[in-house]
Amino acid sequence: QKEVEQDPGPLSVPEGAIVSLNCTYSNSAFQYFMWYRQYSRKGPELLMYTYSSGNKEDGRFTAQVDKSSKYISLFIRDSQPSDSATYLCAMSRGTDKLIFGTGTRLQVFP
Amino acid sequence: DTGVSQNPRHKITKRGQNVTFRCDPISEHNRLYWYRQTLGQGPEFLTYFQNEAQLEKSRLLSDRFSAERPKGSFSTLEIQRTEQGDSAMYLCASSLLQAHTQYFGPGTRLTVL
Repeated sequence: QKEVEQDPGPLSVPEGAIVSLNCTYSNSAFQYFMWYRQYSRKGPELLMYTYSSGNKEDGRFTAQVDKSSKYISLFIRDSQPSDSATYLCAMSRGTDKLIFGTGTRLQVFP
Repeated sequence: DTGVSQNPRHKITKRGQNVTFRCDPISEHNRLYWYRQTLGQGPEFLTYFQNEAQLEKSRLLSDRFSAERPKGSFSTLEIQRTEQGDSAMYLCASSLLQAHTQYFGPGTRLTVL
């Protein structure tokens, strides 16, 4: 079993929809949680960073962490075609290596 | 802040050849990480440096792989006697010493024929 599980999709939604992306994890030592966006053949771009349980909002993006359920989410409001990309969740115990999910491919159609 | 840069962006090589990739981190970032990403998968950790010291190596990093960061600035990743299974995107990331967030470069895409 992988430490971090993420549905690979693809997820296809119409423009303007609310998108929900999720990851589950098994290692309770994870304390830091990140979401990266990756366009095709590009490097991952950091979108959101949260520490421990709770919510964090940045513009159209909201990250949620539920450590009791070992479950993290990323919500995208008013989705745009430019949001079409692969979204990777990542987590770490501290300032060391990141453990990634497989990524969810999102397609937002006009 | 020019971001993390990697060279070359693409490398095509024949099986058995040696290849070397370079990563230039964000200036003043003490930590530098190497990851490998194959199609449809998330990045997998290979190794990381704090300044010039290599602090951790993954079991994925076979004897054919070696990484260096001689002056605590740029880093190189060398793969000797490449195999077709080495075909992947090799990603470099950097961070400040006490930071939990890592910033990635554009990657080097390796194709082994």
